Amino acid sequence: DADVTQTPRNRITKTGKRIMLECSQTKGHDRMYWYRQDPGLGLRLIYYSFDVKDINKGEISDGYSVSRQAQAKFSLSLESAIPNQTALYFCATSDKGTGFGLAGGSEQFFGPGTRLTVL
Amino acid sequence: DAKTTQPNSMESNEEEPVHLPCNHSTISGTDYIHWYRQLPSQGPEYVIHGLTSNVNNRMASLAIAEDRKSSTLILHRATLRDAAVYYCILWPPRRSYNTDKLIFGTGTRLQVFP
Repeated sequence: DADVTQTPRNRITKTGKRIMLECSQTKGHDRMYWYRQDPGLGLRLIYYSFDVKDINKGEISDGYSVSRQAQAKFSLSLESAIPNQTALYFCATSDKGTGFGLAGGSEQFFGPGTRLTVL
Repeated sequence: DAKTTQPNSMESNEEEPVHLPCNHSTISGTDYIHWYRQLPSQGPEYVIHGLTSNVNNRMASLAIAEDRKSSTLILHRATLRDAAVYYCILWPPRRSYNTDKLIFGTGTRLQVFP
């Protein structure tokens, strides 16, 4: 079974609809992230959470909200979807405790992605 | 944030070595160099990282220039499964509001031919 799962894998919706993307992990990691990927722009960070009570905005948080329901679950919501939110969305996790040392960061583990299309 | 520059694309034949370059002329003395790759229709996956010394693991080698202004990811024998987008990332990022995020550029798309 995959360590980081995302649901749904594909979603087509209409402008103005509320959408929730869900991420679950079985790795026991404290840290979770949401990225979006657009052609030619690489991945950009939307939100990240270092534990259940610690949620932070990333580079492009406008139009998005998140909920960390438990250590293993991190949901991304689009309150009112718009076409320029059409993208590939990735969830990732990392573990502060077993990283590359205090200064080296830690490996991030990514889910398979959710392809969202907003018409 | 310190910027990395990579070629948009590279090509290789199967079983040949591949050298993927990355320029990071504004790197600071404490910046680590991380490499991730993204296979088609998958999320990125960690490949390797280093600070000053060359590094080897089961996936690849990382050669870091003495002045640290550039680095090279080396795949010793490319396979078809190595066809992916490879990202060179400096860590940590500089912006004050984050301490743990990865800043992805556009990477290098590697094509491997049989």
